[in-house]
Amino acid sequence: AQSVTQPDIHITVSEGASLELRCNYSYGATPYLFWYVQSPGQGLQLLLKYFSGDTLVQGIKGFEAEFKRSQSSFNLRKPSVHWSDAAEYFCAVYRRGSQGNLIFGKGTKLSVKP
Amino acid sequence: GAVVSQHPSRVICKSGTSVKIECRSLDFQATTMFWYRQFPKKSLMLMATSNEGSKATYEQGVEKDKFLINHASLTLSTLTVTSAHPEDSSFYICSASLDRGVTGELFFGEGSRLTVL
Repeated sequence: AQSVTQPDIHITVSEGASLELRCNYSYGATPYLFWYVQSPGQGLQLLLKYFSGDTLVQGIKGFEAEFKRSQSSFNLRKPSVHWSDAAEYFCAVYRRGSQGNLIFGKGTKLSVKP
Repeated sequence: GAVVSQHPSRVICKSGTSVKIECRSLDFQATTMFWYRQFPKKSLMLMATSNEGSKATYEQGVEKDKFLINHASLTLSTLTVTSAHPEDSSFYICSASLDRGVTGELFFGEGSRLTVL
């Protein structure tokens, strides 16, 4: 069965520091992978996506993610975190044949220290 | 482009009443929309898939008679929580696909916070 694991429930980083949020997936074929961000009380905004091709994908707000098939991972990175990046981050894998149903991880809450 | 809007963003109702939440795709046609429920500090749980002009497909464990979904047009899906109870209090989020689900990329509404007293 397809699944997504985000091992870190809560991460705190200092403003200006680098960030890496981990995501591992379980899927039988080449996955379509996504990272979404959710601010408190808001919906989800797409940060970036991977379908095929270059395994390092660039997203909005300076985020990037790298697809590593051998590790079944799709970690999200940002070289320098801003206070406005504090939010909940969700990794998701697409369940093909499901008309667009995404399987989400449980999320990682990012806090940013001044 | 690809904007999805939900209304209302917050609603408070008394136990036993029904509440309707609307989900609109503002600048594209969405033959398929999805309704998710999000519990505090939890991930998103898919409740149902809403198909324009046909019955919704519900996930296992989701009560069809409790959560009525109607997708009457290509830009509007509604979720009605019938005879709401405090345990129905939650954050409900809808999403829509721009490409009929080919890639799985979804666009999400702002969410609706339901509080049942």
